[in-house]
Parts: sequence; C-alpha cells; structure tokens
Amino acid sequence: AQSVTQPDIHITVSEGASLELRCNYSYGATPYLFWYVQSPGQGLQLLLKYFSGDTLVQGIKGFEAEFKRSQSSFNLRKPSVHWSDAAEYFCAVVAFSGGYNKLIFGAGTRLAVHP
Amino acid sequence: ETGVTQTPRHLVMGMTNKKSLKCEQHLGHNAMYWYKQSAKKPLELMFVYNFKEQTENNSVPSRFSPECPNSSHLFLHLHTLQPEDSALYLCASSQETVGRAETQYFGPGTRLLVL
Repeated sequence: AQSVTQPDIHITVSEGASLELRCNYSYGATPYLFWYVQSPGQGLQLLLKYFSGDTLVQGIKGFEAEFKRSQSSFNLRKPSVHWSDAAEYFCAVVAFSGGYNKLIFGAGTRLAVHP
Repeated sequence: ETGVTQTPRHLVMGMTNKKSLKCEQHLGHNAMYWYKQSAKKPLELMFVYNFKEQTENNSVPSRFSPECPNSSHLFLHLHTLQPEDSALYLCASSQETVGRAETQYFGPGTRLLVL
C-alpha cells in the first residue's frame, strides 16, 4: 500500500540555520510528490511539487526539495530558516485508489525556530 | 475572494445540535474534498466529489452528511456529533480527480469543538 513517512515529529533549528525535513514514500510507480505547510490555525499551503523532470524542485518561500528514486525520498530543504517558517510541514504522494487519485499524507513535522 | 474559502472558521456545538460547514472555491475546479485533521493523526480524507458526483465516502459515520450542489460549493452537514469529532475540517479543491498531476488547494479550515 502507498504510504508516506516523515521520521521527525519535531525539529528545532536556530534562525539562519539550514533546514532539511525528511520524507520517505512507498509507491510502486513513478510518484507524484508534494510538500505542504500549515501555519497554526490555518489550512495547508502548497510549497512545491514534483511530477517529472528535474529532480531538484524549487518552491515558494525559498524552499526546495530533491527527489531521489533510489532512496524513495523527497526531502525538503531551506538554506537559511526565518522565524516565520515555524509551522507544520506535510509531505504527500498521489495514490490511485477506488478509481481516482487521492493524496496520502505523512504525519507531519513540526518545525520550531529559535531566535 | 480568491482560492478556497470556508465558513465558519470556528464552531462550537453540542452533541444534539445540527450545523453545517460551508466551502467555496473560486478556482474553476471540478473536484472538491473534505478532510478531517485531528491532533496527532494524519489528515483523513472523508469525502470526494468530482463534477458534483460523490466518488468517495471513506467509511465516514452517517452523522456527517456532505452536499455538493455545484462544482463551486461543498457543504458538510453535522448532526448528533460526538466529542471525538472535534477537529479541524479542511476543504480542498482540484481541477479533477483522475489526472495524476492534479494539485489540491486547501481552505483555511473550520475548527470544530463538540461539547
């Protein structure tokens, strides 16, 4: 069955430090992958997505993610974290089930940023 | 208004009340979704509508009743809820449900508290 694993439930970084959030997926075919961010009390905002082509994907707010098929990973990175990046981050994969496509989400990683 | 909007943003109801959540999308999409987000649990897909037809009912209790009168509006009617139904209810939309390259766009959610 398709699944997404985000191994880190909580991560704390200092402002200005680099960030990498891990995401591993399980999917038989070529995956379509997403990263969403959720600020407290808000809905999910799309950061970036990978469908095909270049395995390094650029997103909004200075985020990027790299698709590595050999490792079944789609890790999210940012070179310098800002305090406003404190939020919860969700990785998701598209799975075909019941005749249509659905998003399978990971459990999320909550990011705290120290000043 | 742009994107996906949801009303109300917050709702407190007793177990014997009847209330409705409303979602409206201004993106010209044909598919709409209800998700439930509980503390410490991954996002749970509840219902999917494609071109106003329900294509998924993810084993949701009958005390939740969706309605999709047109491709722009989605309702979730609530009656005789339980305290464990307290959660953030998120609405999303996408162009369709069958294209793998579909991106879902989320609303801000309705925070529901059942007393």
